[in-house]
Amino acid sequence: AQTVTQSQPEMSVQEAETVTLSCTYDTSESDYYLFWYKQPPSRQMILVIRQEAYKQQNATENRFSVNFQKAAKSFSLKISDSQLGDAAMYFCAYKGSGGSNYKLTFGKGTLLTVNP
Amino acid sequence: NAGVMQNPRHLVRRRGQEARLRCSPMKGHSHVYWYRQLPEEGLKFMVYLQKENIIDESGMPKERFSAEFPKEGPSILRIQQVVRGDSAAYFCASSAARAGRGTEAFFGQGTRLTVV
Repeated sequence: AQTVTQSQPEMSVQEAETVTLSCTYDTSESDYYLFWYKQPPSRQMILVIRQEAYKQQNATENRFSVNFQKAAKSFSLKISDSQLGDAAMYFCAYKGSGGSNYKLTFGKGTLLTVNP
Repeated sequence: NAGVMQNPRHLVRRRGQEARLRCSPMKGHSHVYWYRQLPEEGLKFMVYLQKENIIDESGMPKERFSAEFPKEGPSILRIQQVVRGDSAAYFCASSAARAGRGTEAFFGQGTRLTVV
């Protein structure tokens, strides 16, 4: 079974600075998808960024980028120029490519605080 | 196009009562997924339904929990004889097709169930 591990329960960053959130995963599949979701206090799950395992290029969405290291099974999220609105719980998630490829497996999350 | 709508947002039940959680998928979506988020945990898959059919209920507790997605109306997650351990946030997601390669599901804001 796939597992997703987020080793940082909490992180903090100063406004306008850069922060990196860590995620590692375990899988025997070669084709899969990885995601970062943001959950603000409203509880809405917001997709921040996704990465397809067969693409070597790291995904980027504005201030958000990932460092995908397939061999190390590592998928970290970098937030540049942090803003107060980035404060939230961040979840790393995995989706396989087999018969249950509709299921997301989530890590336990990292609570990000942005200090003004 | 309204997003995935879940109601109620908050639900309080006494031990032994029944809880009914509703999910109206996005317009045009016929695939629904339920996830549960226990305190301090990530979301965990419970069940996948397509109109009038349960596709995968491997994440559902064997007793007291049931789900349906009728031809007309919202998807319902039903918990009978609730216990304190059922206290959690329950999220629904929907997609236009099976949420596999190239198709993502969109999440609702969740229902927070508190059992007292």
